[in-house]
Amino acid sequence: DAGVIQSPRHEVTEMGQEVTLRCKPISGHDYLFWYRQTMMRGLELLIYFNNNVPIDDSGMPEDRFSAKMPNASFSTLKIQPSEPRDSAVYFCATRTQGNYGYTFGSGTRLTVV
Amino acid sequence: GDSVTQMEGPVTLSEEAFLTINCTYTATGYPSLFWYVQYPGEGLQLLLKATKADDKGSNKGFEATYRKETTSFHLEKGSVQVSDSAVYFCALSGGNQAGTALIFGKGTTLSVSS
Repeated sequence: DAGVIQSPRHEVTEMGQEVTLRCKPISGHDYLFWYRQTMMRGLELLIYFNNNVPIDDSGMPEDRFSAKMPNASFSTLKIQPSEPRDSAVYFCATRTQGNYGYTFGSGTRLTVV
Repeated sequence: GDSVTQMEGPVTLSEEAFLTINCTYTATGYPSLFWYVQYPGEGLQLLLKATKADDKGSNKGFEATYRKETTSFHLEKGSVQVSDSAVYFCALSGGNQAGTALIFGKGTTLSVSS
């Protein structure tokens, strides 16, 4: 099993540009979570899905952020337009129902200049 | 709401020293508790977990006991190694508010020198 796969690993973009982060969950994992990690705020839950349906997006900071899960094998987190304060490491994590084995991807380090 | 508080670091120890990282939580319901470890440039890895009161989670020499009376889940290791240097996160899931998602503490950086 290749684990949770995130792409890209690093992204540098200019303020105002659109950024799309991608996550491929482990096959059979029906929960998918997006987290953001910064020095100031630690690990924050942005949104999570169950069976491709968004369950809780209360952590999404503003309308500039959006997330989709069009099918069980793919999710995206989009920021449009990006701002320097969005610079962080974004993690995707997945798990199965009834099993607390959350598996994290290696993260995407986003730098907005 | 559900939350986790852990001791601030960095924690600096010599090899073979005893480690304690304190973690307390606030949650309604019956959450499960976790410790995750993050090595530089990597994602988070599950270190250990406990799903009900008085359970002890253990892995790689690390231990933590779920104490409902003190709402704590302190991480301990009897003899740390240089390779244990990492950031450690306490987390909970399954509280009435947190629900399915993991709620993390701010993390504690451990640095072990030889």
